[in-house]
Amino acid sequence: DQQVKQNSPSLSVQEGRISILNCDYTNSMFDYFLWYKKYPAEGPTFLISISSIKDKNEDGRFTVFLNKSAKHLSLHIVPSQPGDSAVYFCAATKRKGTGNQFYFGTGTSLTVIP
Amino acid sequence: DVKVTQSSRYLVKRTGEKVFLECVQDMDHENMFWYRQDPGLGLRLIYFSYDVKMKEKGDIPEGYSVSREKKERFSLILESASTNQTSMYLCASSTPLFEQFFGPGTRLTVL
Repeated sequence: DQQVKQNSPSLSVQEGRISILNCDYTNSMFDYFLWYKKYPAEGPTFLISISSIKDKNEDGRFTVFLNKSAKHLSLHIVPSQPGDSAVYFCAATKRKGTGNQFYFGTGTSLTVIP
Repeated sequence: DVKVTQSSRYLVKRTGEKVFLECVQDMDHENMFWYRQDPGLGLRLIYFSYDVKMKEKGDIPEGYSVSREKKERFSLILESASTNQTSMYLCASSTPLFEQFFGPGTRLTVL
């Protein structure tokens, strides 16, 4: 049962335009959401996160929006650059024991066209 | 600079072999995780550990076991490798409240 879903396996955007990556989740107990970026043959790297008590977090060209009522979050990249081409994973966490369990989406492959 | 290292980048094993994947982190993190990544399936959690000698099953623990004897080291064991365990294996560590840091991954092929 996939609790975090990324319904678009791929996305192509022109350089300089906005990239919008979407993510839906089903579990209202998630308390933290994260985006990771992954290049081929490398492990994912953390990009940006948002607490469930907020609706927006911004870091440079990257902004994450959270809509709790819709159980939806999105990552906006403005302006998009060719170096942003990678697979982006959405993740959500909830407490388990004294730690956090992470749930990942299936990823969206972003291609930024020069 | 934080670091998670995995013992091998590429590994080829035969069906039925016992396989050890090692992961070491230098950030003094309590939590450590093993995932596998397969096309179209994203990252799926195999096991995680939130303290030394503690372990929790993830979503797909069948065919795997883990060992955490020291805080910095988390090992994934395939008792008898099978071809459906051919995958990219990713180790990660985190503090209880924050994001995970991933290792570079081990591409395991089981023939």
